[in-house]
Order: sequence, then C-alpha cells, then structure tokens
Amino acid sequence: GAVVSQHPSWVICKSGTSVKIECRSLDFQATTMFWYRQFPKQSLMLMATSNEGSKATYEQGVEKDKFLINHASLTLSTLTVTSAHPEDSSFYICSAREGTTTTDTQYFGPGTRLTVL
Amino acid sequence: RKEVEQDPGPFNVPEGATVAFNCTYSNSASQSFFWYRQDCRKEPKLLMSVYSSGNEDGRFTAQLNRASQYISLLIRDSKLSDSATYLCVVNGGSYIPTFGRGTSLIVHP
Repeated sequence: GAVVSQHPSWVICKSGTSVKIECRSLDFQATTMFWYRQFPKQSLMLMATSNEGSKATYEQGVEKDKFLINHASLTLSTLTVTSAHPEDSSFYICSAREGTTTTDTQYFGPGTRLTVL
Repeated sequence: RKEVEQDPGPFNVPEGATVAFNCTYSNSASQSFFWYRQDCRKEPKLLMSVYSSGNEDGRFTAQLNRASQYISLLIRDSKLSDSATYLCVVNGGSYIPTFGRGTSLIVHP
C-alpha cells in the first residue's frame, strides 16, 4: 500500500512554544490530507481537511488560528500547533488520499505524540 | 444519533473463535466503507474496503447492508495477533471520512 510519513514521531515542548508536524505522501500525490487528534482511549477526531493549494476546512470546535495547516504541495502538509498548552498534548495523526472520490482509500501516517509540559 | 456507531466492547474471545462486529451509520447517502485496525499507540491501518457485494480476505469477511445501514466484519479462527481495536470508516457524499469509536477485540489463549 501507499506510504505516508510523519515527522517528528514524538515531541516534548514547553508551554507557549509552537510545534510543527509534517505529513508526507512518499509514493503518491495526495489530493487531500486529513489531520486527526486522538486522546488516550478515545476515537480519532477529525480536526481539518486540507486540499492542495487551498485553505483547510476545519471541523467545528477546532481553532484555525491555533492549528495552522498548510498544504503547499501534493506530497506535503504541515500542522503547526501554536502556543501549545498541556491540554494540547495528544496523538496527532495525518492521513492522505490520492483521489477525490469517496471510494479512494486514505492512508495514515505513523502519528506524532505531542507532550506539552 | 451518532453518524457512525460501534459497540466499544471489549470482545474477549479464545483463540480459534469466530467473532463478528457491526457498525451502523446514519447517513443513507454514504458511499464507501472501510474497516481499519488500530493497535495500541499506533496509527490505523487499512484492513479492508467494504463493497456492496461483500468481500473476503482470508479469515476476514466484510458485508454491507444498505437497507439497514450497517456494515459488519467477521473474523474466523481468531489469532492472538488479531487483538486490536477495529475502526469502521464511512465516507459520505462530502468525501469526508467519519470514524466510529472502534471495537476492542482481545483474543486470549
């Protein structure tokens, strides 16, 4: 199957700092990338959908000024958690989808575990 | 009613057992369906797509019932390595995937 990478795989930072997470599709062009957050023993929560070259669409309750998403190319999307606080500590996972139809499979990155002290 | 619902379990079964999970969805316009597997502290991995005619991959069989708006996953001859959380994913007309909360499976010796 297709490969999606994420970097970094884990990060620990102080409260108030910003953290950037990269998501790359390695062997296909991702028309759409999704960003999810998962708290322990909880389900994946979709944060935003990003299409290459356009602004991301954020889910209700997700602050777009706090979680900046950039999808500058068909193989790279970035999520920046600005002024991170302890409550932002979570497992952030991206996924990438090659096509635009609903039957197209999405492939997940390995996730980034963020801990804010 | 939630868009995609799954029984969280856990389903605790012995090795060799057959176990089935269901996942119900509320949007009748949903067009594609998938089962993913997620191991603890790992990302979800695609297990199989679910087609209208149903599909089978080894010990795993997925079925779609559009009339009753649910999909199912059947695992035969359970292995210890099948222990994981199984996530149901439904893609609606807006192309946005919606995840269920997952069903936890524990296979014991």
